[in-house]
Amino acid sequence: EVQLVQSGAEVKKPGESLKLSCKASGYSFPNYWIGWVRQMPGKGLEWMGIIYPVDSDTRYSPSFQGQVTISADKSISTAYLQWSSLKASDTAMYYCATQIGYSFYYWGQGTLVTVSS
Amino acid sequence: ENVLTQSPATLSLSPGERATLSCRASQSVSSYLAWYQQKPGQAPRLLIYDASNRATGIPARFSGSGSGTDFTLTISSLEPEDFAVYYCQQRTGTFGGGTKVEIK
Repeated sequence: EVQLVQSGAEVKKPGESLKLSCKASGYSFPNYWIGWVRQMPGKGLEWMGIIYPVDSDTRYSPSFQGQVTISADKSISTAYLQWSSLKASDTAMYYCATQIGYSFYYWGQGTLVTVSS
Repeated sequence: ENVLTQSPATLSLSPGERATLSCRASQSVSSYLAWYQQKPGQAPRLLIYDASNRATGIPARFSGSGSGTDFTLTISSLEPEDFAVYYCQQRTGTFGGGTKVEIK
């Protein structure tokens, strides 16, 4: 059974750093793109970017390029999403998802990030 | 950037009725379009990939059609559990704004 288990909810202050994790199991992690999706409160889904763990090839949405860093550790089947300096506008639910073909076939349960002073 | 426009924004229907949701791309995406369902408090779930292929475990009442720039998700007869928000997504990642299917 494929599972993506994300790290727990976070409450942070503006300017702080943060790294979210997404641990995959049940499939060959290195060989499938895995991505991140943002959902701000009451809003729709936004594609942030994807990474191919076998060689760490990473693609970002123009909206998120330079704002976040996506990485992966294939030795522990885990993908990451990180910020160096959070803003209040980063408050959202973040989902990781495994891409098969051109679709996000499997999804994590989501991690809620709250950024507030 | 290839923009996906979903319509209508909200669809008010009764159980048993047919739902027809539209997704239009500003540039051709060939057949590389997916549909997702999201219920409150849950992660999205893949329904349809490559425009017309149902994902594993998705009931036959869900069907997708289209190619190029115009796509349709059809729910042939709405079940109570189908009232949710539906998103389309094209192959380079962009999502549409969503269609909420609500109980009339």
